Amino acid sequence: RKEVEQDPGPFNVPEGATVAFNCTYSNSASQSFFWYRQDCRKEPKLLMSVYSSGNEDGRFTAQLNRASQYISLLIRDSKLSDSATYLCAVRPIPNQFYFGTGTSLTVIP
Amino acid sequence: DVKVTQSSRYLVKRTGEKVFLECVQDMDHENMFWYRQDPGLGLRLIYFSYDVKMKEKGDIPEGYSVSREKKERFSLILESASTNQTSMYLCASSGQIPDTQYFGPGTRLTVL
Repeated sequence: RKEVEQDPGPFNVPEGATVAFNCTYSNSASQSFFWYRQDCRKEPKLLMSVYSSGNEDGRFTAQLNRASQYISLLIRDSKLSDSATYLCAVRPIPNQFYFGTGTSLTVIP
Repeated sequence: DVKVTQSSRYLVKRTGEKVFLECVQDMDHENMFWYRQDPGLGLRLIYFSYDVKMKEKGDIPEGYSVSREKKERFSLILESASTNQTSMYLCASSGQIPDTQYFGPGTRLTVL
């Protein structure tokens, strides 16, 4: 079983739509969780960390469900500029990170 | 802002050549990582280092070695490049928990 799994998509949504991605992880002792955004042919960049209580940054909301071992990312009022690949990352132990393969999002005018 | 730099954005090498990829971070981070990223396979960890002169194998270390002589610099070495090592190579660094990883811009390596 993979450490982290994501639905690769692609997700094609119209501008203004709300879209949600999930990411499941296998190690229940995982301590830290993150969402990254990766544009085509660029490096992943941190979008937001995911806290136990959930967190929000503008149109983006991240949540953690420890019981079911998944994290989620919700994007409201999608913009064309949100088109990218979204990677989740899990840090089960201090020196290890595991990344999902990414979910592709295209926002259509 | 954290800055991670990589020596080349694009590199073309021939089979059998020795290849050096360098990574430098300016945040005094303890941990540094080398990944390769291929379509459909995501990020795969090659090696990581949690201190100077320390290294640990990741998931796919075969065909690669690393060097960390200084805290800010982590080098990836392909001893004898092969065509199946054509990929995007990403370096990253991180501090202690709960810090995340910060990536360099990547090196797109083509081995002919």
